[in-house]
Amino acid sequence: QVQLKESGPGLVQPSQTLSLTCTVSGFSLTSYDVHWVRQPPGKGLEWMGGIWGDGSTAYNSALKSRLSISRDTSKSQVFLKMNSLQTEDTAIYFCTRWTYWGQGTLVTVSS
Amino acid sequence: DIQMTQSPASLSASLEEIVTITCQASQDIGNWLAWYQQKPGKSPQLLIYGATSLADGVPSRFSGSRSGTQYSLKISRLQVEDIGIYYCLQAYSAPYTFGAGTKLELK
Repeated sequence: QVQLKESGPGLVQPSQTLSLTCTVSGFSLTSYDVHWVRQPPGKGLEWMGGIWGDGSTAYNSALKSRLSISRDTSKSQVFLKMNSLQTEDTAIYFCTRWTYWGQGTLVTVSS
Repeated sequence: DIQMTQSPASLSASLEEIVTITCQASQDIGNWLAWYQQKPGKSPQLLIYGATSLADGVPSRFSGSRSGTQYSLKISRLQVEDIGIYYCLQAYSAPYTFGAGTKLELK
């Protein structure tokens, strides 16, 4: 069955780079787009960006200068890299195929 | 960027009551509109896609409609398990955007 699972560090220092991995199963990354969505504590959902089956990407306008999404189709993994993290980047980070969602991973930005 | 204006921000309703949540798109998005329900500590769950299509396993008391650039989610008879936060999402063109959310509570 279709599954997505996020992994990465729970704690990142301010100004550092966040690296997250979304490992998927039950479908091919060359056939479906995968997106990253985040949710600060107690706040709403924010689309961060996505990677489509053909490898093309798109990003949230407010984040695109410091965000990169890539993939390794052989490992069924999608990667998120975001630099210059600040405390306001503290959030639960989800990867999703819109019908299916990972459980999310909490990333705290703190020294 | 396309803006999605969702209302109301919060809503208190009684069991069996009809509930309606709306999202107004800042431009034409066709039927590229989805509705999600999120419960505390959980990932969002897809309710409606294509503005009006019910996702698999979603109770038939949920329905979606469209009038121009206004989209609505209706719960025909509110049940206790429907309590949560509801979001709309436009997936017409990137950057995709969510509505700010509607917190639905029991009266």
